[in-house]
Amino acid sequence: AQSVTQLDSHVSVSEGTPVLLRCNYSSSYSPSLFWYVQHPNKGLQLLLKYTSAATLVKGINGFEAEFKKSETSFHLTKPSAHMSDAAEYFCVVSTSGTYKYIFGTGTRLKVLA
Amino acid sequence: GAVVSQHPSRVICKSGTSVKIECRSLDFQATTMFWYRQFPKKSLMLMATSNEGSKATYEQGVEKDKFLINHASLTLSTLTVTSAHPEDSSFYICSGGMGAIQETQYFGPGTRLLVL
Repeated sequence: AQSVTQLDSHVSVSEGTPVLLRCNYSSSYSPSLFWYVQHPNKGLQLLLKYTSAATLVKGINGFEAEFKKSETSFHLTKPSAHMSDAAEYFCVVSTSGTYKYIFGTGTRLKVLA
Repeated sequence: GAVVSQHPSRVICKSGTSVKIECRSLDFQATTMFWYRQFPKKSLMLMATSNEGSKATYEQGVEKDKFLINHASLTLSTLTVTSAHPEDSSFYICSGGMGAIQETQYFGPGTRLLVL
């Protein structure tokens, strides 16, 4: 069975400081992993995805994530937070063969001025 | 590219009425579409998966007679909430995929349903 755990429900950072949102996964197969962002009352926007190519994945808006098989992690990072980054972030693992997504519980990022 | 729209964005209805939500893939053919429900400050719960031209596959605990899904074409899927009740009030989000295994899903902006 596949699952994904987002270790922090809330993260607060000051504007201009680094962002780290943690995600661990469990998968019997080589997983596909995604990070999505959701702004209030909006749909989900894809930030980046890992699908067994390069382990360091660069996404939009300066975000990147590193797939670490030994640690079963896929943490999302950004060197310098911007006020517009304040949103809910979801880590997702895709189940092999069914196209289904399994969502983490989300991390709410707050950016302080 | 890969834009998904939903209509309406917000709907208020009386208890007992039915509401139809449309999900369209605007610039790609979505061989598979997914319907999710999101409760306030919660994650997304998959309700059903539909493939064009075939019956939807519902997740455990989701009433297929209450949440009717039609995927009539490669660019359109509809979710009809029949005989809606206040407990059906929620944020409904659709997504489309292009069919390959472990493919990316592209999400619509969501529809907020309020049943009075």
